[in-house]
Amino acid sequence: DAGVIQSPRHEVTEMGQEVTLRCKLISGHNSLFWYRQTMMRGLELLIYFNNNVPIDDSGMPEDRFSAKMPNASFSTLKIQPSEPRDSAVYFCASSVDSNTEAFFGQGTRLTVV
Amino acid sequence: SQKIEQNSEALNIQEGKTATLTCNYTNYSPAYLQWYRQDPGRGPVFLLLIRENEKEKRKERLKVTFDTTLKQSLFHITASQPADSATYLCALEGGSNYQLIWGAGTKLIIKP
Repeated sequence: DAGVIQSPRHEVTEMGQEVTLRCKLISGHNSLFWYRQTMMRGLELLIYFNNNVPIDDSGMPEDRFSAKMPNASFSTLKIQPSEPRDSAVYFCASSVDSNTEAFFGQGTRLTVV
Repeated sequence: SQKIEQNSEALNIQEGKTATLTCNYTNYSPAYLQWYRQDPGRGPVFLLLIRENEKEKRKERLKVTFDTTLKQSLFHITASQPADSATYLCALEGGSNYQLIWGAGTKLIIKP
């Protein structure tokens, strides 16, 4: 298995534009996590899915953020409209179960100008 | 709420020595604690998990201890190598069966 795959690796966009980040999970993993990492705040959990169902989205900053999991192997995180303060590295991670080791993707470095 | 403290300053260690990183927490004792390694431009990579009823866990040159009285975990790398240079993150079970609370990480530099 190639591991968790995220795309794009880098995204530069103008304020107000829609941004979609993509994640392919490891086959057989039931849990999916989207995280955001910044120097100031470290790693923050945005949303957690289990068996394709969103369980906890309390970390999603605002209604501008939305996440979907249309099937067991794929997820998207959308920001619309994007703002400069959304600039960060966004990681998705998957695990077999919710409380076992998490496998992270390479991350998407988002810059909103 | 639970707070985690890891040394914010980089830790410089001579190659071959043992590196020891600290993770302190302030509130309830978590059911388990995990250590991850993160290299620049990459996602964290899982290293070890230790549960509250375990005092120590080992994996090759790595050793983790968990002291619920001191509310502290120590992460040791023996016979350190320059390739061990990275940022090391600890993460605690956050009160639910899925949530992890992450430390800010400690940057470890192993000098040849």
